[in-house]
Amino acid sequence: QLQLQESGPGLVKPSETLSLTCTVSGGSVTTTYYWGWIRQPPGKGLEWIGSIYYSGSTYHNPSLKSRVTMSLDTSKNQFSLKLSSVTAADTAMYYCARNFHLRDGYIIRSWFDPWGQGTLVTVSS
Amino acid sequence: QSVLTQPPSASGTPGQRVTISCSGSSSNIGNNTVNWYHQLPGTAPKLLIYSNKQRPSGVPDRFSGSKSGTSASLAISGLQSEDEADYYCAGWDDSLNGVVFGAGTKLTVL
Repeated sequence: QLQLQESGPGLVKPSETLSLTCTVSGGSVTTTYYWGWIRQPPGKGLEWIGSIYYSGSTYHNPSLKSRVTMSLDTSKNQFSLKLSSVTAADTAMYYCARNFHLRDGYIIRSWFDPWGQGTLVTVSS
Repeated sequence: QSVLTQPPSASGTPGQRVTISCSGSSSNIGNNTVNWYHQLPGTAPKLLIYSNKQRPSGVPDRFSGSKSGTSASLAISGLQSEDEADYYCAGWDDSLNGVVFGAGTKLTVL
């Protein structure tokens, strides 16, 4: 059974870089899936951040793209997120998840399953 | 302002059937598939429906999804108290070139 677990600092200072890691167990990050990041500000809805393919190619939320870096560490079976120049607006619960992303002709089927339990990141000085 | 529009709240009594709508456009729901997630209080979201109407293993058949044009719906029959949660629709948007979520619907079981 595939399981994902987020880890990283719970507090980041404004203007610094948020760094999170997702450890995958019960499966390999080198299988033909994407691996994604989604966040949820306190009391608000979900926002997709970006996803990385097992080959290392990535796609990002256009509104965050310039600040987002994602990577894979196949030796540790992990994938990571870096979000630069953070502000209070980046305070959120951050989730990692396996991303099924399939192109069926012109139709794109993209969903997340399973999800990690999430980690709360607060941006504050 | 979410690209996908959901009602902020919905409610029903135990045993009742409720539906939650998700309205989009030709660049998202109209051209791609819709997924539904639910989030119990204090927990991570969980996939409920994918590719418009497919249920992952373990999801009861009380939950069903449908899509017509640029709108989608999630139906829950035989409502139970444990169904009280936030429900989100989501899918790919061709114009934004990314995954978009609805703002969520809070379901209350009266």
